[in-house]
Amino acid sequence: KQEVTQIPAALSVPEGENLVLNCSFTDSAIYNLQWFRQDPGKGLTSLLLIQSSQREQTSGRLNASLDKSSGRSTLYIAASQPGDSATYLCAVSNFGNEKLTFGTGTRLTIIP
Amino acid sequence: DGGITQSPKYLFRKEGQNVTLSCEQNLNHDAMYWYRQDPGQGLRLIYYSQIVNDFQKGDIAEGYSVSREKKESFPLTVTSAQKNPTAFYLCASSIETLSYNEQFFGPGTRLTVL
Repeated sequence: KQEVTQIPAALSVPEGENLVLNCSFTDSAIYNLQWFRQDPGKGLTSLLLIQSSQREQTSGRLNASLDKSSGRSTLYIAASQPGDSATYLCAVSNFGNEKLTFGTGTRLTIIP
Repeated sequence: DGGITQSPKYLFRKEGQNVTLSCEQNLNHDAMYWYRQDPGQGLRLIYYSQIVNDFQKGDIAEGYSVSREKKESFPLTVTSAQKNPTAFYLCASSIETLSYNEQFFGPGTRLTVL
């Protein structure tokens, strides 16, 4: 059974710093991995999707990497801004299974 | 303006009542999903549907029911058999290609049992 872990559960950094959020998963036979952002009381916004054949994806100040052999993904945020404050969720799907398995998220606070 | 809509945003239920949460999408996606989110537990899958008139149980289907009569709509009924229904409910739909399956989410419905 796939398990997804995100550590730390919460992170605070000063504005302008670069930061890395971590995601680990137990079953490396993944189909794809998605990173989401969730603001309080809101739905999830898809940030990046990495296919199993890819090593990384980039969108603006965000870069997500995938290392299937070690069961890890990272989300790199460059030049953080207060508007980046949110909970970031990682989710994976496995081959032959359309369901997403979610981590519990990292709550990020950017300090102005 | 394409997307996923959920209604109502807030819903209050008395014990013993059934309530239905609405989810509509105009993205022409085949698959739709219902998740439940509780503090500290992440999202858990309730039901999903890959095609009209067909749906599958997720990890926590007990006390819930769904229907998929139209491609655009996937309503969730929370029955009185669900003992702890207070939670944030999220609907999603997905586009699936040969290479990936990307899910998109609605804004959610917060259900509170009085």
